[in-house]
Amino acid sequence: GENVEQHPSTLSVQEGDSAVIKCTYSDSASNYFPWYKQELGKGPQLIIDIRSNVGEKKDQRIAVTLNKTAKHFSLHITETQPEDSAVYFCAASDTGNQFYFGTGTSLTVIP
Amino acid sequence: DTGVSQDPRHKITKRGQNVTFRCDPISEHNRLYWYRQTLGQGPEFLTYFQNEAQLEKSRLLSDRFSAERPKGSFSTLEIQRTEQGDSAMYLCASSLVGLSSPLHFGNGTRLTVT
Repeated sequence: GENVEQHPSTLSVQEGDSAVIKCTYSDSASNYFPWYKQELGKGPQLIIDIRSNVGEKKDQRIAVTLNKTAKHFSLHITETQPEDSAVYFCAASDTGNQFYFGTGTSLTVIP
Repeated sequence: DTGVSQDPRHKITKRGQNVTFRCDPISEHNRLYWYRQTLGQGPEFLTYFQNEAQLEKSRLLSDRFSAERPKGSFSTLEIQRTEQGDSAMYLCASSLVGLSSPLHFGNGTRLTVT
């Protein structure tokens, strides 16, 4: 089955700086890559996603890039704010039936 | 769209007892998933339904776990003879059928087995 690795496990940045979280996947059949943000006591919430026919997608301060050849994808958050502090998960899916999640990155934005 | 609803939010039970959790998905979603999440880990797939049919079960799902979705709407997850290792957050998610249909998660049920 698919194996998704995520780095780093923890990340601290100063408010206003950028944060980058990276994921790799093993199954070349994976073609859909969502990112989720999980706040304490809540379920994961979708923040952005990318399909394999697209190399980059941006939504305001959040962007995701995908390198199919290298089988890695990354989340970029610019101009970080304290409310961006949370745990972020990447995921990969091939058929849309099964989603495989990374182990999460705990992001802390220091005011 | 009222989101995915899970009940209860928290459950404390003694080892050996049975527990049941409920999930109400987004009404137009025909897929429903159960995941388990332990501290510091990502969600682990347990099982999923398309309408009322249970299409896939993880090998993680022992025979003490059973899930149902009797009318293709809400779902229940039952754990029989709970063990301390069952302590975790149980997440429900729903989605539409099809490629690139994201999962929409509820806020989970946190189970503590003492």
